[in-house]
Amino acid sequence: NAGVTQTPKFQVLKTGQSMTLQCAQDMNHEYMSWYRQDPGMGLRLIHYSVGAGITDQGEVPNGYNVSRSTTEDFPLRLLSAAPSQTSVYFCASSYSGRGIYEQYFGPGTRLTVT
Amino acid sequence: EDKVVQSPLSLVVHEGDTVTLNCSYEVTNFRSLLWYKQEKKAPTFLFMLTSSGIEKKSGRLSSILDKKELFSILNITATQTGDSAVYLCAVYIIQGAQKLVFGQGTRLTINP
Repeated sequence: NAGVTQTPKFQVLKTGQSMTLQCAQDMNHEYMSWYRQDPGMGLRLIHYSVGAGITDQGEVPNGYNVSRSTTEDFPLRLLSAAPSQTSVYFCASSYSGRGIYEQYFGPGTRLTVT
Repeated sequence: EDKVVQSPLSLVVHEGDTVTLNCSYEVTNFRSLLWYKQEKKAPTFLFMLTSSGIEKKSGRLSSILDKKELFSILNITATQTGDSAVYLCAVYIIQGAQKLVFGQGTRLTINP
């Protein structure tokens, strides 16, 4: 099993550009989520999904879109990047039924918006 | 608003010292409290605490939860340089759906 994979590892965008951060898992997990991590802020939940076709907002959803068309994939879209979105982004997944505490995190994407 | 606060934010000690990291929380629909260790990349799971007063141990690490006073501590005894990391506390809540609310993290540095 590859676990949770994220691409790209690093990305630099100009303000106003759009991009999609990819996240995939091969563990058949129902629950998937996106977090951003900024210095001194811990991890903050952006969006999450409890299964294919179902998504919901977390703490800091503004400026981000998600969709979940398959169990395996949960892409995060930035429609018009802003410098405030410079951060490290983590995707995570778990079995819903056992509680999301057993979350498996991807390696992260470091995004810089200039 | 759900809130998880960790202290101290940063701690530097010498190898062999014992450290205590703190986590307090104010949330609705508390289910459990979790500790993670984050080195260079993704957080890795350490402990989950659900009941008050029951210590969880793993080697030199231990943790306990106080649901009356709404806090948890993570102890590391006989620290080693490999314990240097950011330690994250998170609270698992259910508000419609399940969520983890994270604290800011404590950056622990162990000097040889």
